[in-house]
Formats: sequence, C-alpha cells, structure tokens
Amino acid sequence: GQNIDQPTEMTATEGAIVQINCTYQTSGFNGLFWYQQHAGEAPTFLSYNVLDGLEEKGRFSSFLSRSKGYSYLLLKELQMKDSASYLCAAMDSNYQLIWGAGTKLIIKP
Amino acid sequence: GAVVSQHPSWVICKSGTSVKIECRSLDFQATTMFWYRQFPKQSLMLMATSNEGSKATYEQGVEKDKFLINHASLTLSTLTVTSAHPEDSSFYICSAPLAGVSYNEQFFGPGTRLTVL
Repeated sequence: GQNIDQPTEMTATEGAIVQINCTYQTSGFNGLFWYQQHAGEAPTFLSYNVLDGLEEKGRFSSFLSRSKGYSYLLLKELQMKDSASYLCAAMDSNYQLIWGAGTKLIIKP
Repeated sequence: GAVVSQHPSWVICKSGTSVKIECRSLDFQATTMFWYRQFPKQSLMLMATSNEGSKATYEQGVEKDKFLINHASLTLSTLTVTSAHPEDSSFYICSAPLAGVSYNEQFFGPGTRLTVL
C-alpha cells in the first residue's frame, strides 16, 4: 500500500533550526512536495524534490533520498509565523498526491 | 503564480439540504481539479478527481451520488453535497495542477468550511 509517515507534532524555539522528517512508500514516484498549512487555511506550496539532494529556498530547504524513501524539510531562523502544520506529500505513478497527516510545528519565544 | 478561488468561503445549512461549492482557476486552464476534505487535526483526504468534459473519478468510500461533481469548463468545477448531514461538516478544499510546469504543482483554493446543523 501507499503510505506517508511524519511526526505528529514538534516544538522549537524562535531563531533556532528545526528538521521535519518524512518517509514514504508509493506505487511509482514522481516527486515529493512540502506544503505549509496555517490553521483554517488551505495549504501553500513550499518545495518540490524529484532528484536526490538538497534544494534551498531562503530559510527553507528540502532534502530527498529516493533510495531510502526519505525526505526532510529544514527551517532555519525560525519565526513565530512559522507556527503551522507542514504536510509532506508524494506523487505516485498516476501523478496523484499521497498526503501525510501533517506535522504541527509549535514555535516558542 | 496561479490562483484558484473557491466560493463560498463558509456555509451553514440545515440537515437534508444541498450545498454547492465552486472552484475556479482564475488565470490558467485546468482540465483536472481535485476535491479534498479535511477534518480537524487531520490531513487532506482526496475525495475525487474532476475531469473537464468527462465523469469525475471518485476515491474508494466516497459516494458519487452524494457528492456530485461537475467540471463544465476549463476553469470551473463544482462540488454539490446533496442531502447534507452533520457528519458532512468539514473543510472542503479544491486544487488544480498547473499543466506545463515540469512538476505539476497543485494550487489550492482557500477552502470552504461547511457546517451542517
């Protein structure tokens, strides 16, 4: 079956760095997405990885290892506004997104 | 970037009535749109794939006669929740992939919060 695993909740301190891990199992693979979702709002796109390695975009970076079925989202210089849920989603061979349950990130001052 | 809108943003209805939710791609054409449902503190659950000019594809466990989907044009898909019940209360979100981009990124509408009394 298809499955995405990510931690339910994480806590970090303002100004620090946090890494949110995601493991996936899908029928075929066409890339790994990370989305940010604030409470009561729709998800917004953060990153996409289809090749192994690290993609950096400002304070956010995303890493992929296809052989390990593993990805992480790295958030640097955390700000209070980064408090949100972070959704990991893998695209299968039919180009459908398989979603994780999301990781709620709590930022403390 | 591509913009997807939804209408209404929130709706409260009585049990047994029907509610229509619209999803529009404002600055691009979308031959495919996805409808999701999200319960509190849970992730997105794909309900169906809406295809312009053809029947929608429903995920297992989603009643096609209860959740009617019509994709009448390249910029509009509608989801009608028929004979709504309190258990249908949820956050409904649509998304549309931007064809032509190398990775088919999905753009999400702002969501519709449905409360059935």
